[in-house]
Amino acid sequence: DQQVKQNSPSLSVQEGRISILNCDYTNSMFDYFLWYKKYPAEGPTFLISISSIKDKNEDGRFTVFLNKSAKHLSLHIVPSQPGDSAVYFCAASALVPGANSKLTFGKGITLSVRP
Amino acid sequence: IAGITQAPTSQILAAGRRMTLRCTQDMRHNAMYWYRQDLGLGLRLIHYSNTAGTTGKGEVPDGYSVSRANTDDFPLTLASAVPSQTSVYFCASSALSYTEAFFGQGTRLTVV
Repeated sequence: DQQVKQNSPSLSVQEGRISILNCDYTNSMFDYFLWYKKYPAEGPTFLISISSIKDKNEDGRFTVFLNKSAKHLSLHIVPSQPGDSAVYFCAASALVPGANSKLTFGKGITLSVRP
Repeated sequence: IAGITQAPTSQILAAGRRMTLRCTQDMRHNAMYWYRQDLGLGLRLIHYSNTAGTTGKGEVPDGYSVSRANTDDFPLTLASAVPSQTSVYFCASSALSYTEAFFGQGTRLTVV
């Protein structure tokens, strides 16, 4: 049973427009959420995170929104740039040490930004 | 500062052979992990170590073993490789088990 779900395998947007990447989770113990970006032939790199005490975290063009009641988070990229084209992984963990404290990843979504 | 280093970067391995993937980090992170990435399946945790001397099983541990003799090194061993272990393997580390993880560049393993 997948605990972190990224139901859309791919997304294509025009340069300059907004990219919205969605992620859902099922484990109510998760209270820390992260987004990673991955280029081909490279390891994933950390992008942005949010803890459950907040509903929004912003870093430049990247904003993550968290809706705890819906167990849903989204990554907004504004404006999208061709260099943003990559696979984006959503991940979740529990801040309390234990079985849920390890990062659990979704399947990823491939973002293509068209020039 | 190298961060986290994996070796080899790629390998073709005959089925039934034993193989150890190496992972070293110089960030003095407590936690280390091994993930495999497969098309359509994302990143799946194989084994982890929250601190030197301890290890644990992840989501897909069968056919793999790990050791954590010291803080810096976390090798992953395939005792007898099978074609289903063809994958890209990523080692990662984090200061604590629930904080941001830093990934290596990956090892592409093909078992034939």
